[in-house]
Amino acid sequence: DTEVTQTPKHLVMGMTNKKSLKCEQHMGHRAMYWYKQKAKKPPELMFVYSYEKLSINESVPSRFSPECPNSSLLNLHLHALQPEDSALYLCASSQEPGQGRIYEQYFGPGTRLTVT
Amino acid sequence: AQSVTQLDSHVSVSEGTPVLLRCNYSSSYSPSLFWYVQHPNKGLQLLLKYTSAATLVKGINGFEAEFKKSETSFHLTKPSAHMSDAAEYFCVVSLSGYSTLTFGKGTMLLVSP
Repeated sequence: DTEVTQTPKHLVMGMTNKKSLKCEQHMGHRAMYWYKQKAKKPPELMFVYSYEKLSINESVPSRFSPECPNSSLLNLHLHALQPEDSALYLCASSQEPGQGRIYEQYFGPGTRLTVT
Repeated sequence: AQSVTQLDSHVSVSEGTPVLLRCNYSSSYSPSLFWYVQHPNKGLQLLLKYTSAATLVKGINGFEAEFKKSETSFHLTKPSAHMSDAAEYFCVVSLSGYSTLTFGKGTMLLVSP
């Protein structure tokens, strides 16, 4: 099974709302990622978790708060977002990269977020 | 530092004709290279990967790519396009031992009947 699932598929929220995006994988991967993708652009890395610990934060505003409750789950908590945060949010997972090793990332279908 | 250049933002082909999507990379070290495909409003699907084994890499759905170190290229080809191949294609590079990917800007493949 090489599936990464994401919920919800679509989300509309106001600028004062609090919502969460969820991602799940059952491939035994120990690295998980959040990306943001604007229309007609490549994905931009937001966060990387390695063994349930945050290892990379690409200077993402604090209104985005990631959480990794266990090795299979990754959440992205959203609060006080701006309209420019509207985008497709993609989750991915991979085996943990190491010295001399590169593993492909498997992507979920994404959550289409609209901030009104 | 590493970077990826996809030489065409759009490529148009007719169904049944060959596909060529061009990608050049820049990397200080031996890179790993990937091609991903993204259909409209979908996530990214891995087509194929190069990780310093065979230079000609075969992927899913009849796609293949050849790693040419002397030309720093990793072009994606398919002998015969199908309507279902219409999508955005991303060339991606990663350095050994690092988890971050560097994406090209993408090439939109249009397939006409």
